[in-house]
Amino acid sequence: DTGVSQNPRHKITKRGQNVTFRCDPISEHNRLYWYRQTLGQGPEFLTYFQNEAQLEKSRLLSDRFSAERPKGSFSTLEIQRTEQGDSAMYLCASSRGGGGAVDEQFFGPGTRLTVL
Amino acid sequence: AQSVTQLDSQVPVFEEAPVELRCNYSSSVSVYLFWYVQYPNQGLQLLLKYLSGSTLVKGINGFEAEFNKSQTSFHLRKPSVHISDTAEYFCAVSVQGAQKLVFGQGTRLTINP
Repeated sequence: DTGVSQNPRHKITKRGQNVTFRCDPISEHNRLYWYRQTLGQGPEFLTYFQNEAQLEKSRLLSDRFSAERPKGSFSTLEIQRTEQGDSAMYLCASSRGGGGAVDEQFFGPGTRLTVL
Repeated sequence: AQSVTQLDSQVPVFEEAPVELRCNYSSSVSVYLFWYVQYPNQGLQLLLKYLSGSTLVKGINGFEAEFNKSQTSFHLRKPSVHISDTAEYFCAVSVQGAQKLVFGQGTRLTINP
């Protein structure tokens, strides 16, 4: 168990450019989540996957955002035509996804995006 | 919809003093409650969780929290803090059948020697 990893850790881009982030969950975790955290705020839910199926998307996830988990393992989050308001820490989490009342989510270190 | 309010954005305390970080939530259905800690440059780590049963929950690093349904609160406490407890603490809720966590704004705990 090497934990959830995210790449890159930092990304600086110019307004209007596209960016893509990658998340590698804990192996054998079926669920994968994306959150966004802006300065001074708690994380906000963006979307989650059960294996390769995207089961829930927040209204925060505008048309410029797309997330995929093609083989039910790693996931990518792409932001097209970035805006300065997209500057934030993007957090990925994974959970086992088995039975039980609630599923503990394990978080990665995040990717900090700065849009100039 | 659920929401979480952390009443203090910053809490400074002296080392070895007790601390309480406050969390209130609102929900029309039963919730599960969590406290996460975020150390500088690290990911969120689960401190403790309340699912059901005893309202006093013990977590890692000597922290505990008490679920109070009538006051819709889930305050985090530690009887004696250490310098290493300096971090950001987040309270979160989820509801049965839903997977997403709804977080509060966070409380920055600063320990002074």
